[in-house]
Amino acid sequence: GNSVTQMEGPVTLSEEAFLTINCTYTATGYPSLFWYVQYPGEGLQLLLKATKADDKGSNKGFEATYRKETTSFHLEKGSVQVSDSAVYFCASVNAGGTSYGKLTFGQGTILTVHP
Amino acid sequence: EPEVTQTPSHQVTQMGQEVILRCVPISNHLYFYWYRQILGQKVEFLVSFYNNEISEKSEIFDDQFSVERPDGSNFTLKIRSTKLEDSAMYFCASSVISDTQYFGPGTRLTVL
Repeated sequence: GNSVTQMEGPVTLSEEAFLTINCTYTATGYPSLFWYVQYPGEGLQLLLKATKADDKGSNKGFEATYRKETTSFHLEKGSVQVSDSAVYFCASVNAGGTSYGKLTFGQGTILTVHP
Repeated sequence: EPEVTQTPSHQVTQMGQEVILRCVPISNHLYFYWYRQILGQKVEFLVSFYNNEISEKSEIFDDQFSVERPDGSNFTLKIRSTKLEDSAMYFCASSVISDTQYFGPGTRLTVL
């Protein structure tokens, strides 16, 4: 089955610093890849996605590129803000065919941004 | 913008009691899911539901769990006899196709 591994956390940064959160996956077939964000006390929000190799997902200044050769989907942001403090989850799904969309999540990375 | 809603936001129950968690998926979505997140741990898949039947379930989803779509809008998760280890945040999600899933805000279940 699929698995997703995220970098060990937590991550603490100063405002305007560059952010990278690493994510690698193993999967049968060609999964779609996602980043979800969970702000304190809230549910999971879709941040961005990519459905095939070399696709780049982007939203709110965050980006991630689907790298098939390294089986990675690292999340980056050039300049983080205090409001970006949250837990970030990488996830994969084998969609279509006989798959019914079971999302497999990484363990989550806690990001704290200080002013 | 349409969103997935869940009720209640917090449910406290005694061990051995039955609970029903409710979800209203986005109206034109066809696939429905339940996930759970034990405090401090990763989000885990429980079950997917399509065309009025379970399409996939995890090993967590044993005989104590059931799902139902009783009408055209609601999607429920029932736990027949709750255990302490069922305490978690339960998330409902829905999708148009089995790809991009949109999550509700969650129900925090506390079993005493």
